[in-house]
Amino acid sequence: EPEVTQTPSHQVTQMGQEVILRCVPISNHLYFYWYRQILGQKVEFLVSFYNNEISEKSEIFDDQFSVERPDGSNFTLKIRSTKLEDSAMYFCASIRGQTETQYFGPGTRLLVL
Amino acid sequence: AQSVAQPEDQVNVAEGNPLTVKCTYSVSGNPYLFWYVQYPNRGLQFLLKYITGDNLVKGSYGFEAEFNKSQTSFHLKKPSALVSDSALYFCAVTLGGGGNKLTFGTGTQLKVEL
Repeated sequence: EPEVTQTPSHQVTQMGQEVILRCVPISNHLYFYWYRQILGQKVEFLVSFYNNEISEKSEIFDDQFSVERPDGSNFTLKIRSTKLEDSAMYFCASIRGQTETQYFGPGTRLLVL
Repeated sequence: AQSVAQPEDQVNVAEGNPLTVKCTYSVSGNPYLFWYVQYPNRGLQFLLKYITGDNLVKGSYGFEAEFNKSQTSFHLKKPSALVSDSALYFCAVTLGGGGNKLTFGTGTQLKVEL
């Protein structure tokens, strides 16, 4: 069964450093998402992406964040200059169409020191 | 704006007993409703969804949920709980169209004991 994959599973970085989180959505899916979950809190929407552009972004998704689909398979989230409060689990999700189920990857746990 | 409330942080139930995890929602339109489960240090696994049609939806692992429009609720149920059902359960809502973002509740920790 096809699934969303994410790399790395864990990343530790120093405050102020850039990080790139990678996702490979399910191959025939058209809509892509990033969410994050700060430890012990609920899952929060960051950004959605369709047809090579951002569809919607939350207040969390400020100028430090960017997304890209550099080729036909990868979907990346870049944090330009990490802050301590960026420490969280980051989930990628994808769907085929607007009424479909969002399928989530296993997440990348980011720790900013 | 859309929102989800899960009023219980934790639900404890004995194995073999029925379980209910509560969820209420608020959206300005027809909701699409979802339940996801999260095991420790794992991602979110889809359990079931309501888009339209029959108010009682059945999902994975024997779970079901009932959509109640008048009460704006979508409670998760299972007739007979298993210890292996112990996990964190999230209710989520979206409106169809656009970016289709999911808005999640705060989660309910289900603990099933022998």
